[in-house]
Amino acid sequence: DARVTQTPRHKVTEMGQEVTMRCQPILGHNTVFWYRQTMMQGLELLAYFRNRAPLDDSGMPKDRFSAEMPDATLATLKIQPSEPRDSAVYFCASGLVIPRGASYNEQFFGPGTRLTVL
Amino acid sequence: EDQVTQSPEALRLQEGESSSLNCSYTVSGLRGLFWYRQDPGKGPEFLFTLYSAGEEKEKERLKATLTKKESFLHITAPKPEDSATYLCAVQASGGADGLTFGKGTHLIIQP
Repeated sequence: DARVTQTPRHKVTEMGQEVTMRCQPILGHNTVFWYRQTMMQGLELLAYFRNRAPLDDSGMPKDRFSAEMPDATLATLKIQPSEPRDSAVYFCASGLVIPRGASYNEQFFGPGTRLTVL
Repeated sequence: EDQVTQSPEALRLQEGESSSLNCSYTVSGLRGLFWYRQDPGKGPEFLFTLYSAGEEKEKERLKATLTKKESFLHITAPKPEDSATYLCAVQASGGADGLTFGKGTHLIIQP
């Protein structure tokens, strides 16, 4: 049963601390996305990678957020320093995306990391 | 800028009472329109992708349709287990692969 996994599922931290979230995409998928969900804004794209190369990080606050893919089985999202306004659920999604293609572009989401910054 | 608006924000139905959820979109060029279901505390679960106006897809009690400006998710004879938030998203044809989501419709089916 292939699925996206994320760790940790919950994280409570204090303002100013570093937070690292991890994602294992579905084996064989070539594209990994990071989204953030809040009550006010809904789901928003932060960044995404294809074949481990970053393609778009325009949705991320550059001064404090960073995203990497050390290898094909691991994507990380780091916040340093964290702030209360970063409190949200962070989702990782993966898919076998055909660039500019019209088929098979579904994205499959993980269970999310619920982050609370005090 | 791509925009997705879903209505209503919330909908309460009796078991067996059919209805439709609306998703209006503005996008420079549509590569795909996606429907997801999200249960509390979980990630969005993929339901359908629609690619061109006139296309329809069905899965159990759900049917999704697409026009050039909107999509509908029709729910026929719903059951309490259909209660969830239904999210609509678009993918633009300009090259970017990320999805632009609507705020969702929170659906409650009462027994």
